[in-house]
Amino acid sequence: GAGVSQSPSNKVTEKGKDVELRCDPISGHTALYWYRQRLGQGLEFLIYFQGNSAPDKSGLPSDRFSAERTGESVSTLTIQRTQQEDSAVYLCATGGLAGVTDTQYFGPGTRLTVL
Amino acid sequence: KQEVTQIPAALSVPEGENLVLNCSFTDSAIYNLQWFRQDPGKGLTSLLLIQSSQREQTSGRLNASLDKSSGRSTLYIAASQPGDSATYLCAVGDYKLSFGAGTTVTVRA
Repeated sequence: GAGVSQSPSNKVTEKGKDVELRCDPISGHTALYWYRQRLGQGLEFLIYFQGNSAPDKSGLPSDRFSAERTGESVSTLTIQRTQQEDSAVYLCATGGLAGVTDTQYFGPGTRLTVL
Repeated sequence: KQEVTQIPAALSVPEGENLVLNCSFTDSAIYNLQWFRQDPGKGLTSLLLIQSSQREQTSGRLNASLDKSSGRSTLYIAASQPGDSATYLCAVGDYKLSFGAGTTVTVRA
């Protein structure tokens, strides 16, 4: 079946602009995660959605970052007033069960470059 | 805060050699440990998941061990092939995975 998809694959923006990144999960997966991977660094957890429960936003680095997901559908990650340090690959992952012990299936990522 | 370290950062071997990749973590109270493969320009592919109650998992040429008491995991890849060239990432946690920086493997034909 189809895997996790993300769009756009690449995004170049100017400092101060807002950007929206999209994640389409595997059908039926209740858990959805956003991670950030800066150049030469490990992945950093950003946010976790599980069904209709309140999301865990503890990894969001600042209030310029926000994410939404309705039920088990598409998720969008929004970065307002982008800064150069926001340049990274943003990865979305989804999981099929409760999320705690399930494998996470990753999308190809969105490479964000802030000039 | 969980810290995950992977050694070595890079590894180059001739085809046919066995690969040994190491992962260490600071907090032994983990739910599970996962090994992923990352190819350039692509997302991560899950290789093996070891739950905290398990000591190892095997899939084909891959075997991963977990020693919670010492905070270590080792990924073994038998009889390496050029197609195994990639970056291998170790991650621990429940739903909030903490990742190591990875080991970049090159298998020379």
